[in-house]
Amino acid sequence: GDSVTQMEGPVTLSEEAFLTINCTYTATGYPSLFWYVQYPGEGLQLLLKATKADDKGSNKGFEATYRKETTSFHLEKGSVQVSDSAVYFCALRGGSGNTGKLIFGQGTTLQVKP
Amino acid sequence: DAGVTQSPTHLIKTRGQQVTLRCSPKSGHDTVSWYQQALGQGPQFIFQYYEEEERQRGNFPDRFSGHQFPNYSSELNVNALLLGDSALYLCASSLGLTSNTEAFFGQGTRLTVV
Repeated sequence: GDSVTQMEGPVTLSEEAFLTINCTYTATGYPSLFWYVQYPGEGLQLLLKATKADDKGSNKGFEATYRKETTSFHLEKGSVQVSDSAVYFCALRGGSGNTGKLIFGQGTTLQVKP
Repeated sequence: DAGVTQSPTHLIKTRGQQVTLRCSPKSGHDTVSWYQQALGQGPQFIFQYYEEEERQRGNFPDRFSGHQFPNYSSELNVNALLLGDSALYLCASSLGLTSNTEAFFGQGTRLTVV
């Protein structure tokens, strides 16, 4: 079945450092890919999305490119802030003819120190 | 514009009891999905409702059931609660069943089974 694998955390960075969180997926068909962020005690917020190969999603300085050849959707940010500390989830939807459910990775905790 | 609202925010139940969680979708959305998020894990899909019917179901036992009302709001019912049902339950709403539409999440209901 479809699945998403994220790099394990926690990832600890100093403010203004470069961020990469790796995400790879397994799916048949042509899924849409998403990054969600979860702040402590809150639900999930969509950070960015890409719906087809080579699309780049971007928002709030974060970006990720849908790479079908490597089945990857890595999240990057050039300069992180303390306020970016949260749990980040990579997800897919629509693989294997499934239009309904989001399939999430296990999440990666990001801690940014001043 | 109110986003996805869930009630209650926190709940404590005893093993063997039954619980009902509620969700109102974002204005204009007609599809509601439920997810279970155990501590430190990614959300797991429970089921999805569209046009008052369950359209897709994840790998959850029949103790988990749901309903969607004509106004698109939804309930999640869990019978014969187990300690392992303790989790954050997230509701997500979206428009239609296509895979590239954005799903908006509520803040979740934290269920503790003792």
